[in-house]
Amino acid sequence: SQQGEEDPQALSIQEGENATMNCSYKTSINNLQWYRQNSGRGLVHLILIRSNEREKHSGRLRVTLDTSKKSSSLLITASRAADTASYFCATVPPTSGTYKYIFGTGTRLKVLA
Amino acid sequence: DTAVSQTPKYLVTQMGNDKSIKCEQNLGHDTMYWYKQDSKKFLKIMFSYNNKELIINETVPNRFSPKSPDKAHLNLHINSLELGDSAVYFCASSQLTSGGAFRFGPGTRLTVL
Repeated sequence: SQQGEEDPQALSIQEGENATMNCSYKTSINNLQWYRQNSGRGLVHLILIRSNEREKHSGRLRVTLDTSKKSSSLLITASRAADTASYFCATVPPTSGTYKYIFGTGTRLKVLA
Repeated sequence: DTAVSQTPKYLVTQMGNDKSIKCEQNLGHDTMYWYKQDSKKFLKIMFSYNNKELIINETVPNRFSPKSPDKAHLNLHINSLELGDSAVYFCASSQLTSGGAFRFGPGTRLTVL
């Protein structure tokens, strides 16, 4: 079964508001990454958080990781219309023996101008 | 300067035909991947090559055959195309040893009629 599952599946907010997306996974991880996919495009890496880290920031992005709950959240502050995209988490189980990144089903974010 | 490129971007073909998709990366990464994204946006890993050696081979029909002539190229050949093969196929690359981020290509939208 899928390693990462994002929640909510879809999110619609007004420009300027914050957007929070969650990712839950089932097994231990080496690291967890968040990606953005604009419609009709490839995925773009946003941020990587290692299993021994709890929080990471990059510009308007803030990622948290709770390995005890096997969950991560991505917060986008002061959202813009250009943030409209699908957001995916990707996890690498340490026991896989290879870097087999497994992607969740994604959260479709719509930011209304 | 394109990091990961794929050709063609669109592929429309009849059932039963054989087709190939090509991928090239100029990042010097040692590992390349093929992912399939279905209509529900679910990304599923198909194959991965590390330094031209196949390291991930998921449960994929043997009509799909990857080939990596060198570290910078990974091609995907599909025989006897079926309707269910219609999807977007993404090539990606990463540096395996660092467990770092993936770089994705723009995708190839395959439509089987």
